[in-house]
Amino acid sequence: GAVVSQHPSRVICKSGTSVKIECRSLDFQATTMFWYRQFPKKSLMLMATSNEGSKATYEQGVEKDKFLINHASLTLSTLTVTSAHPEDSSFYICSARDLGQWNGYTFGSGTRLTVV
Amino acid sequence: QQQVKQSPQSLIVQKGGIPIINCAYENTAFDYFPWYQQFPGKGPALLIAIRPDVSEKKEGRFTISFNKSAKQFSLHIMDSQPGDSATYFCAASSDNYGQNFVFGPGTRLSVLP
Repeated sequence: GAVVSQHPSRVICKSGTSVKIECRSLDFQATTMFWYRQFPKKSLMLMATSNEGSKATYEQGVEKDKFLINHASLTLSTLTVTSAHPEDSSFYICSARDLGQWNGYTFGSGTRLTVV
Repeated sequence: QQQVKQSPQSLIVQKGGIPIINCAYENTAFDYFPWYQQFPGKGPALLIAIRPDVSEKKEGRFTISFNKSAKQFSLHIMDSQPGDSATYFCAASSDNYGQNFVFGPGTRLSVLP
């Protein structure tokens, strides 16, 4: 089945630094990937849609200059949290769809970001 | 229109019980209804999914019941086990490839031994 690999699984960084999270589709190509944020005991909130070779589409209220998304290839999307602050601490999850499967939304294992 | 409502918020059952989680949607353009299971610190994993052309789908101990006219669908877990303890999310999307992919707020299930 479709596998989406997300790295790192957890990261701790200092305020003001930037952190990059990678999302890879391992056995399929994904022209579109999705980035979600999840607060404790809450549902997933779509942040942005990452499009290969073009600009990402951000949901309302998500700062595109703070959450930089790059989708440079058909198997890799990256989310960079720039100038991180403690309020950016959260669980970030990516997903991608394998068009070869009708129910093909596969999620990565998530990245726990803690900004200190 | 974009919301997916889910209930209950939390659920506790004894081992062997049949927890039922319900979801409702408004947008009639939705045509794909998956259920995801999420363990703490992990990403959601697809459990089972249904399209509106069938009223029920069963995979192992998991069954989705779908009522198109009522715009409701539910997840039943037969012979529940402590290992089923997790948060369950229903979701809905249209075939516009990720657009309108909406998650319910989640149900925290605890199955007691």
